[in-house]
Amino acid sequence: GDSVTQMEGPVTLSEEAFLTINCTYTATGYPSLFWYVQYPGEGLQLLLKATKADDKGSNKGFEATYRKETTSFHLEKGSVQVSDSAVYFCALLLLSGGYNKLIFGAGTRLAVHP
Amino acid sequence: EAGVAQSPRYKIIEKRQSVAFWCNPISGHATLYWYQQILGQGPKLLIQFQNNGVVDDSQLPKDRFSAERLKGVDSTLKIQPAKLEDSAVYLCASSLGPANNEQFFGPGTRLTVL
Repeated sequence: GDSVTQMEGPVTLSEEAFLTINCTYTATGYPSLFWYVQYPGEGLQLLLKATKADDKGSNKGFEATYRKETTSFHLEKGSVQVSDSAVYFCALLLLSGGYNKLIFGAGTRLAVHP
Repeated sequence: EAGVAQSPRYKIIEKRQSVAFWCNPISGHATLYWYQQILGQGPKLLIQFQNNGVVDDSQLPKDRFSAERLKGVDSTLKIQPAKLEDSAVYLCASSLGPANNEQFFGPGTRLTVL
């Protein structure tokens, strides 16, 4: 079935380090791909998205490229900050019968230390 | 623009008791979703409404869970009777329409069943 697999956390980095969080997916159709972020005590927020192969989503210094050949959507940031500490969720969205269905990965916790 | 509102933020009950959660979506959003997020996992869709009608409740444990959106605006999710495994964060989300691909999430209700 349709699913999303993320690298397990926690990921612990020092401030200004390079970040990669791996995400791969399995889908029967042509999904849109998303990264959501959940800061402590808050709801999920959309971080970035890509709707078709080779699209690059970017926001707040984060970016991810939709790679159909490797079914991947890895999240990267060149220099992380303490304020980036949160849980990051990769998700795919499939449109079926006129309705969309959002399927999430398990999440990856990122902790950035000064 | 006000976001998705949920209440209560926290609830602690004993097993076999009943509990209800409330959600008010973003004004004008026709589609409303309830998700269950168990600790260490990604959110899982329980039920999706289009206006006041159910379009997907395939993952809702109907023997104990129920949900309604009578006037096509706010919604309630009920659990009766609760089990220990129902301990989770219950997230409400809304989108403009069923095929619109951005969902906006509320802060969630954290349920603990003792």
